[in-house]
Amino acid sequence: QVQLQESGPGLVKPSDTLSLTCVVSGYSISTSNWWGWIRQPPGKGLEWIGYIYYSGGAYYSPSLESRVTMSVDTSKNQFSLKLSSVTAVDTAIYYCTRKGPYDTYYAAWGQGTLVAVSS
Amino acid sequence: QSALTQPASVSGSPGQSITISCAGSSTDISDYNYVSWYQQYPGKAPRLMIYDVRNRPSGVSDRFSGSKSGNTASLTISGLQTDDEADYYCASYTTSNTFFGGGTKVTVL
Repeated sequence: QVQLQESGPGLVKPSDTLSLTCVVSGYSISTSNWWGWIRQPPGKGLEWIGYIYYSGGAYYSPSLESRVTMSVDTSKNQFSLKLSSVTAVDTAIYYCTRKGPYDTYYAAWGQGTLVAVSS
Repeated sequence: QSALTQPASVSGSPGQSITISCAGSSTDISDYNYVSWYQQYPGKAPRLMIYDVRNRPSGVSDRFSGSKSGNTASLTISGLQTDDEADYYCASYTTSNTFFGGGTKVTVL
């Protein structure tokens, strides 16, 4: 059974780049799946950030597209998120997810990691 | 397509049935059967409860059911139990985007 674990700094300064990694265990990342990110500001709802195919194609939320980059590292069985020029509104719990090739939903989630943007 | 509208809260007594609605703003829900529902306890990651409008993943109680009418999807919880108290989110999927509802807090009285 796939397990996902996010890691990265819990505090990022305004205008810096937020960088998170999701380590995948129990499952090879080099399969026909989409690996993605969803975030949740404290006390608020869920927001889709995007996902990347194991071979590199990606879809990003139109509202974040200009600041988001995702990548896959098959040698380490992990994938990453970079969000540039962050502000306080990017403070959120960031979840990594797995979506099957034909799935229309997110069945596997990491436990989430809180990233605060503050000077 | 855009964000989905859910009631902020729904409550019920143990044993009762409750229904949470999820209204799309255009034809996003009516045109496709790609609605899913997630349960979230405080401090925990969301858990998939329903996918493709009405399908339950393995391990999800059959007290949870989904349906759709026009541009509104619904999640019904029958035989309400205390551990059903949580936040519930609907989502509408397309290849290039996923829209979530604002979430509904379910309270068991």
